[in-house]
Amino acid sequence: QQQVKQSPQSLIVQKGGISIINCAYENTAFDYFPWYQQFPGKGPALLIAIRPDVSEKKEGRFTISFNKSAKQFSLHIMDSQPGDSATYFCAASQGGYQKVTFGTGTKLQVIP
Amino acid sequence: ETGVTQSPTHLIKTRGQQVTLRCSSQSGHNTVSWYQQALGQGPQFIFQYYREEENGRGNFPPRFSGLQFPNYSSELNVNALELDDSALYLCASSGRTGEKQYFGPGTRLTVT
Repeated sequence: QQQVKQSPQSLIVQKGGISIINCAYENTAFDYFPWYQQFPGKGPALLIAIRPDVSEKKEGRFTISFNKSAKQFSLHIMDSQPGDSATYFCAASQGGYQKVTFGTGTKLQVIP
Repeated sequence: ETGVTQSPTHLIKTRGQQVTLRCSSQSGHNTVSWYQQALGQGPQFIFQYYREEENGRGNFPPRFSGLQFPNYSSELNVNALELDDSALYLCASSGRTGEKQYFGPGTRLTVT
């Protein structure tokens, strides 16, 4: 049972553009929503995370927008750079229990 | 500060064999989680260990088992290997009170 749905599967953005990745979840008990970045041959690395009591969180060029009523959240990458080309995973977990449920991933390619 | 390390990097096994994968957690972390990442998919939670005890398990059969040692390093054992076990196996460590998980680079297992 897939509890976190992610779209699109792949994304091509021009350098300087905005990359947007969307996720939706089903389990209302989730209370921590991280985004991970994974480069080929590497493990996922935590990029940014949000809790449902906040509607937006920004760290540098990365912003999470969170809509609790719609059970949706998204990652925005501003001024996208070729170095951002990677696979991005949204995820969710439940407080006190650190099992992380991942989305299916979005392969981002930023072209010069 | 030492990051999460995993060994071996790559492994090729034959169907029916058994395999042991190893993980050294990041300094100061006492919780280790294991994930299976099939090609093109998001990581799937296998189980988590906290202070040498299993602290949650995903939808994996009993032939997937684990251990955590007093120094918080961990092993993942898989018996009676099947072709579908071919995947990247990721280890992630975290402090008990935090949700941030730090992933190792993974072990690529190929079952032929």
